[in-house]
Amino acid sequence: DVKVTQSSRYLVKRTGEKVFLECVQDMDHENMFWYRQDPGLGLRLIYFSYDVKMKEKGDIPEGYSVSREKKERFSLILESASTNQTSMYLCASNHPSSDYEQYFGPGTRLTVT
Amino acid sequence: DAKTTQPNSMESNEEEPVHLPCNHSTISGTDYIHWYRQLPSQGPEYVIHGLTSNVNNRMASLAIAEDRKSSTLILHRATLRDAAVYYCILRAHPGLGDMRFGAGTRLTVKP
Repeated sequence: DVKVTQSSRYLVKRTGEKVFLECVQDMDHENMFWYRQDPGLGLRLIYFSYDVKMKEKGDIPEGYSVSREKKERFSLILESASTNQTSMYLCASNHPSSDYEQYFGPGTRLTVT
Repeated sequence: DAKTTQPNSMESNEEEPVHLPCNHSTISGTDYIHWYRQLPSQGPEYVIHGLTSNVNNRMASLAIAEDRKSSTLILHRATLRDAAVYYCILRAHPGLGDMRFGAGTRLTVKP
């Protein structure tokens, strides 16, 4: 089974802190994605990556950056956390040849106080 | 982007079939219809997808209208484990980037 794991299920950080959210997949997928999910807004794409060291902005990249140094790992970085970044963060991955199916991790619920 | 419209919520009884509708009147010729679902406290998971013909897999069936302006996800025999939010998504293949998830339909399954 494909497995996408995220470093934490729950995280509480203070305003202004630098926050790292880690995502690891074990199926050698080229594509990886970071979304955030908020009530009433659905899932919104923050960043995605097609390969190591490649990144593309999604719909809401402001306030975030990403890093992909290894194929299996995609990190989301909040340079200076703010309260409006309190959300559920979901990581996903897939293979380009079957891009209809994204595999999602369990999510990290981040609270910024 | 073509938009989808789904009911906010639906209810079903356990072991009965469930038909989840999705309207997509502005669908383009290259758009595939995808369905995902999100169980409580989990990330979304792929259910099924199709272009023009009806599709079946181990999880569900997808019935696509002849004009492609609507589709229906069919769960043949609902279980309590099928209680989830179901998302209907249009996306061209080969696609780049994300799946555009809307609000979806919250399915409640009653024992």
